[in-house]
Amino acid sequence: GNSVTQMEGPVTLSEEAFLTINCTYTATGYPSLFWYVQYPGEGLQLLLKATKADDKGSNKGFEATYRKETTSFHLEKGSVQVSDSAVYFCALSEAGNTPLVFGKGTRLSVIA
Amino acid sequence: EAQVTQNPRYLITVTGKKLTVTCSQNMNHEYMSWYRQDPGLGLRQIYYSMNVEVTDKGDVPEGYKVSRKEKRNFPLILESPSPNQTSLYFCASRGQDLSPLHFGNGTRLTVT
Repeated sequence: GNSVTQMEGPVTLSEEAFLTINCTYTATGYPSLFWYVQYPGEGLQLLLKATKADDKGSNKGFEATYRKETTSFHLEKGSVQVSDSAVYFCALSEAGNTPLVFGKGTRLSVIA
Repeated sequence: EAQVTQNPRYLITVTGKKLTVTCSQNMNHEYMSWYRQDPGLGLRQIYYSMNVEVTDKGDVPEGYKVSRKEKRNFPLILESPSPNQTSLYFCASRGQDLSPLHFGNGTRLTVT
């Protein structure tokens, strides 16, 4: 079946540091890939997505590129802020109304 | 404002006392889903619904029931809660296939 593996957290960074959160996936078909973010006390919200190989999703300074050859969708940001402290979830979905499959989440803490 | 509304936000109950967590969305979405979030386990799907009167089991359906009598509502029912159902619960909905999920703000349930 489909699965998503993302790096274990927590990740602690200083403000303005470079962020990478690794995500790899296993899928039987051609999935769409997503990053969701969960701020403290809130539900998840979509951060970015990519629907086919080599697509780059971007939002709020975050980027992730759909790499079919390495089955990866790593999240990056060049300069993190304290307000980026949250839990980040990588997820995939295949066509046909199949359920979204989530990774276990990576907690990011950014300190001033 | 487009949103998914869950109630209550916090609930403390005792073993065996039936409870219902409500979920309502105002986006006319066909697909709705319930997840539970536990430390170290990420998000796990409990039940989902493709449309009115259509529900299916997710990964962890034991001990839960759902109903979908109207498009906007998707309540989660625990007929006889047990302490292992203590968790953070999220309702989510989406429109067409592969579109992003919209999440509620969560219900923190404690069963003593």
